[in-house]
Amino acid sequence: GQNIDQPTEMTATEGAIVQINCTYQTSGFNGLFWYQQHAGEAPTFLSYNVLDGLEEKGRFSSFLSRSKGYSYLLLKELQMKDSASYLCAVRGGATNKLIFGTGTLLAVQP
Amino acid sequence: DVKVTQSSRYLVKRTGEKVFLECVQDMDHENMFWYRQDPGLGLRLIYFSYDVKMKEKGDIPEGYSVSREKKERFSLILESASTNQTSMYLCASSPGLVWETQYFGPGTRLLVL
Repeated sequence: GQNIDQPTEMTATEGAIVQINCTYQTSGFNGLFWYQQHAGEAPTFLSYNVLDGLEEKGRFSSFLSRSKGYSYLLLKELQMKDSASYLCAVRGGATNKLIFGTGTLLAVQP
Repeated sequence: DVKVTQSSRYLVKRTGEKVFLECVQDMDHENMFWYRQDPGLGLRLIYFSYDVKMKEKGDIPEGYSVSREKKERFSLILESASTNQTSMYLCASSPGLVWETQYFGPGTRLLVL
């Protein structure tokens, strides 16, 4: 079957760096997505990784290791507006659907 | 910009009522999805569609049905609403390629009394 694990909550300080981890188990891996979701709003796309390595996009970077079933989202120079849930989602399995983790609620403090 | 709209942001219904949630996307996407999101459970797939008049069950289809008569519109139907269907419902669409992300609508928060 498919399984995704990520921490439930994290706290970080404005201006700092935070790393949100995601581990997964799936067959037929076809990529890993990270989404940001502010309270009461829809998820919005942040990044996509299908090959091993680091993808950088401004203050946000995402890393993937397929052999370890592991990804992380790195947020630099944290701002208060980064307070949100971060969802890890894996595409794979027999039907190639997206399977979502339960999300990590990040609180950025002054 | 891709736009996915949902007919209501908030909805209150009574147990036993038939409920229709509408979703429209304006980017000619082949794929459309309905999820529900509950605290501690994350996003769970109810139904999806890869083409007009085509539908596939997701992980939790019981108590729901869907309709896709036109490419841009995907409707979720609660045949007889129950209190355990109180949830946030999110519609999404995507092109037909595996590396393409899904684009989400703003969500409908449904309360069943």
